[in-house]
Amino acid sequence: AAGVIQSPRHLIKEKRETATLKCYPIPRHDTVYWYQQGPGQDPQFLISFYEKMQSDKGSIPDRFSAQQFSDYHSELNMSSLELGDSALYFCASSLGSFIEQFFGPGTRLTVL
Amino acid sequence: AQSVTQLGSHVSVSEGALVLLRCNYSSSVPPYLFWYVQYPNQGLQLLLKYTTGATLVKGINGFEAEFKKSETSFHLTKPSAHMSDAAEYFCAVSMEYGNKLVFGAGTILRVKS
Repeated sequence: AAGVIQSPRHLIKEKRETATLKCYPIPRHDTVYWYQQGPGQDPQFLISFYEKMQSDKGSIPDRFSAQQFSDYHSELNMSSLELGDSALYFCASSLGSFIEQFFGPGTRLTVL
Repeated sequence: AQSVTQLGSHVSVSEGALVLLRCNYSSSVPPYLFWYVQYPNQGLQLLLKYTTGATLVKGINGFEAEFKKSETSFHLTKPSAHMSDAAEYFCAVSMEYGNKLVFGAGTILRVKS
C-alpha cells in the first residue's frame, strides 16, 4: 500500500540558510500535518492543512511557512535556520475527518 | 489544554515477560487515544487507537490497551515481550476529528535476553 512520502530524507544546512521540506500524502488523503521532533523529545505539532487551507496551527516559528498544493502535497519552508531547528520533521496525512494519521519516515534536518 | 503523561522514560523487561507502558491523559472530555511505536531512525507506526465503543483495544504485534475513563488512563500491555519490541513508544491524544495529536514524552522499551 502507498505510504506518505517525504523528501529529502536527510538535509544539512548552514545557519541562516533556507530549507524546503516536501510531503506527498497517501493518495486520496486531503489532510496533511507537520510535526517537529527534536533530539530525545516527543513530536510537536507545527501546522496542518485540509483541502489546501490551513486548518490548525501549533508552535510553528514565524520563520517557517507551509502550504498545501492542488495535488495535496505540502511543503514546509524554513528560513533563517538556527541550530535549534535541527530535528526530525514528520509529515502525516489523513482522509478528511477520519482521525487516524499516517506518518511518513521523516526528514532529518541538521543545521550546522 | 490536553496533556499526556507517560510514566517511566525507560522500561526494561526480560524476553517473555509482561510489557506494561503507562499513559495518563488530562482532558475534561474523553479524547481519542493512540499508541505509536518508533524504531531508531524511523517514522511513527500506529499500534492501536481508541475512539469509541469497546474500551479494550487490540492492536498490531500482540499489543493491547484499555481505556479507563475513571482513571484517565490508556496503558499499553503485551503478555510476552519479544526482542523485536525494543523501541520507543509514544502515547498520544486528539480531541477532535482531524485534530492535531498531542504526544507524551515517550517510553523507551528495552528487552533483555
